[in-house]
Amino acid sequence: DIQMTQSPSTLSASVGDRVTITCRASQNSNSWLAWYQQKPGKAPKLLIYKASSLESGVPSRFSGSGSGTEFTLTISSLQPDDFATYFCQQYSAYSLTFGQGTKVEIK
Amino acid sequence: QVQLVESGGGVVQPGGSLRLSCAASGFTFSAFGIHWVRQAPGKGLEWVAFIRDDGISEYYADSVRGRFTISRDNSKNSVYLQMNSLGGEDTAIYYCAKHPSGWDNYFDYWGQGTLVTVSS
Repeated sequence: DIQMTQSPSTLSASVGDRVTITCRASQNSNSWLAWYQQKPGKAPKLLIYKASSLESGVPSRFSGSGSGTEFTLTISSLQPDDFATYFCQQYSAYSLTFGQGTKVEIK
Repeated sequence: QVQLVESGGGVVQPGGSLRLSCAASGFTFSAFGIHWVRQAPGKGLEWVAFIRDDGISEYYADSVRGRFTISRDNSKNSVYLQMNSLGGEDTAIYYCAKHPSGWDNYFDYWGQGTLVTVSS
């Protein structure tokens, strides 16, 4: 299985900050990567697919980049609604696998 | 709008069985594959199983292969997850999630989840 490693595990930031989360794959995943946001007690929500494609309805402050084994999710200006946990997911090969998550907390 | 509603969760003894259901609406159900993804309490996400739109092809995580079976009934707009030989490691919220159009294996819509607790 392809192992996905996110960093950092926890991130403390303020409203308006630029935030970057990194996801590394143990094998080449090309651009087959998605990012999700999850709030406590809720299901995950798709933000980005194919590494850099923004899902319809997702604010443009979210962006994704990368290919191969290194990927990033960037929030250009953190908003109060963005405090949540973020997961990456590779879909280059079965089994589909997720990163362990990055919790974005209020500083 | 797309809706996925899971049901069938509950408390089950180790070694027992449970059948989860996922009822879909708001899209042409027979044209899309459906996944099950689970999340142990306070933990990360784990993909469990996938069934294609035609119900012929099925895929499983190694951790559940041989114990879990995914199926679908396109006449009822529903997908099922039959879980046998359950152990404590199967305790989790189980989400069904919709496959997007095309071949990409990500999840564009999720249900609210149903909790399965394996305990004596």
